[in-house]
Order: sequence, then structure tokens, then C-alpha cells
Amino acid sequence: AQSVTQLDSQVPVFEEAPVELRCNYSSSVSVYLFWYVQYPNQGLQLLLKYLSGSTLVKGINGFEAEFNKSQTSFHLRKPSVHISDTAEYFCAVSWGGNKLTFGTGTQLKVEL
Amino acid sequence: NAGVTQTPKFQVLKTGQSMTLQCAQDMNHNSMYWYRQDPGMGLRLIYYSASEGTTDKGEVPNGYNVSRLNKREFSLRLESAAPSQTSVYFCASSEGRFTEAFFGQGTRLTVV
Repeated sequence: AQSVTQLDSQVPVFEEAPVELRCNYSSSVSVYLFWYVQYPNQGLQLLLKYLSGSTLVKGINGFEAEFNKSQTSFHLRKPSVHISDTAEYFCAVSWGGNKLTFGTGTQLKVEL
Repeated sequence: NAGVTQTPKFQVLKTGQSMTLQCAQDMNHNSMYWYRQDPGMGLRLIYYSASEGTTDKGEVPNGYNVSRLNKREFSLRLESAAPSQTSVYFCASSEGRFTEAFFGQGTRLTVV
């Protein structure tokens, strides 16, 4: 079965430090990749998406992600985090259908 | 700018009771989805509707039914609620394949 893996359930980081949130998926055949952010008690908001083209994708709030077909990965990065980035981040993959399969999420906690 | 609207926002049910969660989108999207979110498990797809008039099972459909009432509305029904259905439920919609899914604010359901 196709799957999405976010190995890190929690990532603590100091403010202004860089961060990488990891995402791996089970098959690279016709994949479409997304990162969503969820702030407390809210719905999910799209950060960025990869459908085709350049493997480096830039999103909102200074985040970016790189599609690596050989590694079947789509890691999310930010060079300098802010307290307001504290949230849960979800990687999601579509294997050519209408629906998205989500990872289990990574809680990013930014500390002063 | 309502986007995706879910009602109710909170609900407490007794085991065996039934209820319907309502979802409406005003973006003229073709596809709509119901997910449940549980701690440590990410979002799991319950049912989806690729277009008006069609519905399909997702990953965890047991105990649920859905109705795509029209292009705007997609409801989720629990016929006989069980404590295992305690969760946060999210409705989402998208234009179609590979496009951004927009999420509602969620319904927090507790079954006692």
C-alpha cells in the first residue's frame, strides 16, 4: 500500500535557527506532493505544492521543499524560524487520483 | 470569503446516537472529502466525492455514510455512534485532481 512517512513526531528548535522537517513516501510513480500547516484549533492551510517542473518549491512564510525522486523524499526547510511557526506540519501525497494521503504530522516547537 | 464551512463545531453524543455533520463549500469545487484526525495518526480519509453524484470509500469508512447533496454540500452521517468515533472531523474540497485542498475549521466530536 502507498504510504507517507514523517519520522519526526516533534522537532524542537530555537528561534532564528534553521529547520528541516522530513517526509518520505512509498513510490515515486506520478506523485504530487504537498505540505500543509495546522495552527492550534484550526483547519489545515497549504504551505506549498509540487506538481511538476523545478524540484525546489517555494511556499508561504519563507518555507521551501525539495522533491527528490531517487530518495522518494520531499523535505520541508526554513532557514530561520520564528515563534509564529510553532504548529503541526503535514506532508501529503497524491498518487494520480483525487485524494491525498497524509503523513502522521510533525509538531514544530520554536523556543526563545 | 467563507470557503469550506462545517457545522457543528463541537458535539457530544451518547453511544448509539446518530448525527449528521454538514459541510458546504462556495468555491464551485468538484471534489469534496471527509477526514478524521486522531493524535499520532494524521488525517485519514473516510469518504470522498470526486464529482457531484459520486461517492467512494476512503481508508476508514466503517460506521459512516455520506451524501453529496449537490455540488456545494457533502454530509457525513454516523448512524450509531461509538466511542471509537471520538475525533476531529475535517471536510475539504478541491477543484479536482492534483489541486490544492481547502479545509474547513473542523468538528470536534466526543462520543461517551
